Amino acid sequence: DTEVTQTPKHLVMGMTNKKSLKCEQHMGHRAMYWYKQKAKKPPELMFVYSYEKLSINESVPSRFSPECPNSSLLNLHLHALQPEDSALYLCASSQDFEGTYTGELFFGEGSRLTVL
Amino acid sequence: AQSVTQLGSHVSVSEGALVLLRCNYSSSVPPYLFWYVQYPNQGLQLLLKYTSAATLVKGINGFEAEFKKSETSFHLTKPSAHMSDAAEYFCAVSERTGGFKTIFGAGTRLFVKA
Repeated sequence: DTEVTQTPKHLVMGMTNKKSLKCEQHMGHRAMYWYKQKAKKPPELMFVYSYEKLSINESVPSRFSPECPNSSLLNLHLHALQPEDSALYLCASSQDFEGTYTGELFFGEGSRLTVL
Repeated sequence: AQSVTQLGSHVSVSEGALVLLRCNYSSSVPPYLFWYVQYPNQGLQLLLKYTSAATLVKGINGFEAEFKKSETSFHLTKPSAHMSDAAEYFCAVSERTGGFKTIFGAGTRLFVKA
């Protein structure tokens, strides 16, 4: 069983809707990530949070808005998306960076988003 | 800039045969290297990782990989394929100086024939 939980597993939304994807981990990890994965492609990094602060934004359009309310939770707010944003959105977490960083990512099972 | 190249988007083996999935990396500093597996409609799961300890790394499900600095390679092997090994495999590289980014290769789909 995965220790990173993502909800919902499936989401269908129109281009004018506002929705959110949620991610939760209870492994004490202080870094959390959002990745986007299109069919038959590798995951692409979107955002990285370190100690609840946004540390990396890979030039993601503003229609995607991340939020990290606390060290266990990560949200991705969606607004005015385009059909090409349809993809599997993966959340991941990793250990503390300082001195013990090994880069190992723990992934959730993903939220499959369809934009109509 | 760090990157990984996976040779072969598809690999097909017979059940019981050797599995060899190839990965070459590019990194300006000693890298952390990983192999992840993704089953259909699931997230990614770590198979094994190299973090500058032993060059031969053993992972889960009978997989192992050897880090060869001279060849900048980190190929994944398994002596005997099982039907349950059919999945997508991603090689990945991460650098501490890279802002904690993990970059994935394009992936290799492994097919296992009965």
